[in-house]
Amino acid sequence: EPEVTQTPSHQVTQMGQEVILRCVPISNHLYFYWYRQILGQKVEFLVSFYNNEISEKSEIFDDQFSVERPDGSNFTLKIRSTKLEDSAMYFCAATQRNEQFFGPGTRLTVL
Amino acid sequence: GQQLNQSPQSMFIQEGEDVSMNCTSSSIFNTWLWYKQDPGEGPVLLIALYKAGELTSNGRLTAQFGITRKDSFLNISASIPSDVGIYFCARIIQGAQKLVFGQGTRLTINP
Repeated sequence: EPEVTQTPSHQVTQMGQEVILRCVPISNHLYFYWYRQILGQKVEFLVSFYNNEISEKSEIFDDQFSVERPDGSNFTLKIRSTKLEDSAMYFCAATQRNEQFFGPGTRLTVL
Repeated sequence: GQQLNQSPQSMFIQEGEDVSMNCTSSSIFNTWLWYKQDPGEGPVLLIALYKAGELTSNGRLTAQFGITRKDSFLNISASIPSDVGIYFCARIIQGAQKLVFGQGTRLTINP
């Protein structure tokens, strides 16, 4: 069964550093997403991506965040200058119609 | 309008017991999704509901889309240890295709 994969599983970084989180979505899916889950809280939408451009972003997704799909396969989330409050699980998701399939997540720890 | 209120926040039950949780919203919508999240994993879709009044089962899980289109419940019958986890309801924001999640119900099972 096809699945969404994410790397790394855990990333530790210093405040102010740039991080890139990677996702390989299911190949025939059309919409891609990033979500965030702060420890103990609910999953929150960050951004959706369709046809090689952002289709919607939340207020969390400020100028420090960017997404791209550089090679038609990997889907990346970049945080330019990490803050302590960026520490969370980041989930990539993909969908063809209504059912979104989530990756296992990357745990980002900002020190 | 987009908020989902999920209850209870947590449940502590004995193995073999039945479980019921629900989600409500102040606005009506067209899709209810129920996800389960195991520790350190991404959400996994359990059941998708697309029509008011729809009752759908997936093994020991049963979910219903409320007739008012403002609520849904999820039941688990004869709980087993692997049912432990956090259960989230979610709705799709049409057009944006993004998911909005409830706060989750954390299920703990005593053997």
